[in-house]
Amino acid sequence: KAGVTQTPRYLIKTRGQQVTLSCSPISGHRSVSWYQQTPGQGLQFLFEYFSETQRNKGNFPGRFSGRQFSNSRSEMNVSTLELGDSALYLCASSLGQLLYFGPGTRLTVT
Amino acid sequence: DQQVKQNSPSLSVQEGRISILNCDYTNSMFDYFLWYKKYPAEGPTFLISISSIKDKNEDGRFTVFLNKSAKHLSLHIVPSQPGDSAVYFCAASGNTPLVFGKGTRLSVIA
Repeated sequence: KAGVTQTPRYLIKTRGQQVTLSCSPISGHRSVSWYQQTPGQGLQFLFEYFSETQRNKGNFPGRFSGRQFSNSRSEMNVSTLELGDSALYLCASSLGQLLYFGPGTRLTVT
Repeated sequence: DQQVKQNSPSLSVQEGRISILNCDYTNSMFDYFLWYKKYPAEGPTFLISISSIKDKNEDGRFTVFLNKSAKHLSLHIVPSQPGDSAVYFCAASGNTPLVFGKGTRLSVIA
């Protein structure tokens, strides 16, 4: 089975812009989670989607949003980018409690 | 408020010796614990897990120990190999999204 794929792999944006990241889960996996990884904070949970519904949400401002499509693919959007949003954004798909991560999208905000 | 803590940001071990990575948690509702390994430019990959009904789980060179009364778990790698050099994340769940620690960077020196 193909693994979790994320596009793009690298992105450079300017403060104030918005960005959309995409994730394709492992075939058959209906749950998709998003995490933000920064050097000082480790992996922080953003949100989880299951069957197109947001099931859980982490402690991030409303500028961070996401959605899931009927084919389980997911996107996350960050509006009004800030310098502190520079991070590795990881998508993971799962059948149960075990998460399978993609390679991540490295976002740099200048 | 960090629910999962990895207090050692880094660890260096000689090849062939034992590596011990530690993790503490505060939420007594956590009942499933995992270790993930992450190489640069890749997403985290699952290594080993343990449920709260057990106190030890072994898989080849990797063993995870759980001490529920102390809310502490540890990962033992024996013998350590240079290819084990990576960042190791401890994660916990209790009918909630996985909560990750900040990671420990393990360097195995040949």
